[in-house]
Amino acid sequence: QQQVKQSPQSLIVQKGGISIINCAYENTAFDYFPWYQQFPGKGPALLIAIRPDVSEKKEGRFTISFNKSAKQFSLHIMDSQPGDSATYFCAASAASGAGSYQLTFGKGTKLSVIP
Amino acid sequence: DARVTQTPRDKVTEMGQEVTMRCQPILGHNTVFWYRQTMMQGLELLAYFRNRAPLDDSGMPKDRFSAEMPDATLATLKIQPSEPRDSAVYFCASGWGYRGQYFGPGTRLLVL
Repeated sequence: QQQVKQSPQSLIVQKGGISIINCAYENTAFDYFPWYQQFPGKGPALLIAIRPDVSEKKEGRFTISFNKSAKQFSLHIMDSQPGDSATYFCAASAASGAGSYQLTFGKGTKLSVIP
Repeated sequence: DARVTQTPRDKVTEMGQEVTMRCQPILGHNTVFWYRQTMMQGLELLAYFRNRAPLDDSGMPKDRFSAEMPDATLATLKIQPSEPRDSAVYFCASGWGYRGQYFGPGTRLLVL
């Protein structure tokens, strides 16, 4: 019930291409969906987040697409650059109930952008 | 630029020793989280606090781990006695409601 399933586990994209990472959840109480970016030796950094009242949010080259009925959300990285090579985590949390604001993380996707 | 700080950044210790990790959350944040990250398990939530009160520590092995928040500027995670399987990177994060969680740089722990 609390799981967030993330795919793929790893992704190789050519420079300039589009990177797409998908996540699915079961708990309908989730109402906040952030993505984190982690470089080796660093802590995860909040990248972009979405609430379920919108279907898409864009910040620069990063876009979250959200499908409430399918309980799925995805991260799209446009014009992928070698500097985007990192591990990306999706997450979800609920505003109320047991564990409110506690993030449930996906297992992560290791993205490699090759020149 | 407000950041979560953690000390020490690296710790090597022998099995059976006590380990204390410290975290200074971002000023004004009311929730503090402790995570452990390993290759096998990914990011695991160990414990979290809201307004300094412990809300959930179900992710921690209670017999050896303890987490406290003695004041609003300091959170501690203690392992006693440490075991080789505790080797991991431990992250502290702080947040405020829907404004997301902001992670510190982590403490890399190696128990020999």
